[in-house]
Amino acid sequence: QSVLTQPPSVSAAPGQKVTISCSGSSANIGNNYVSWYQQLPGTAPKLLIYENDKRPSGIPDRFSGSKSATSATLGITGLQTGDEADYYCGASDRSLSAGVFGGGTKLTVL
Amino acid sequence: EVELLESGGGLVQPGGSLRLSCAASGFTFSNNVMTWVRQAPGKGLEWVSSISDSGDSTFYTASVKGRFTISRDNSKSTLYLQMNSLRVDDTAVYYCVKGGLLTTGLDYWGQGTLVTVST
Repeated sequence: QSVLTQPPSVSAAPGQKVTISCSGSSANIGNNYVSWYQQLPGTAPKLLIYENDKRPSGIPDRFSGSKSATSATLGITGLQTGDEADYYCGASDRSLSAGVFGGGTKLTVL
Repeated sequence: EVELLESGGGLVQPGGSLRLSCAASGFTFSNNVMTWVRQAPGKGLEWVSSISDSGDSTFYTASVKGRFTISRDNSKSTLYLQMNSLRVDDTAVYYCVKGGLLTTGLDYWGQGTLVTVST
């Protein structure tokens, strides 16, 4: 059981928008930055969002992040078939003195 | 261009040891937190350990404390993970990653090295 909770799967049609939630506690999301990662099949993960809502260079603005209290959300607009991947949220946990990830969400673009 | 090249993975029996290495290039290694993340076959990501830029501070997930040791050699731009008393459930792809979850996120990932613990 992961410290951060994500839905196992989400789906939407090409061109549509989808959101992926990540729920935690005051020990992690509530008092630390959240980051998001995309893992395409058979590849290493890639950073999509850091410090809750910032995009690294090269990440399109179709990807966005937000945080409120002990939850965070990844939004993806203009869905493309190439967005089909597993998405993970991550944060530091002050109680555990460790990093933690969500269990991952599989995005299907129908 | 940032490059992280892991090595040292392989097949080991339960109770055995392995040392993973990660050769870094394309950035100032000594100025960056470094992290190991693993992924068991068909499973999600698991944060394993992080080390401060100087190497003075280290952090571990509970399941590896006392068995794994993270270290770095800034003169060689190399990160290490010494893994002792290996268990079957340590079987995973181990990724070397630049950065830490506390600050700017895990911004560059190696391709990973597979560690298989089995009889």
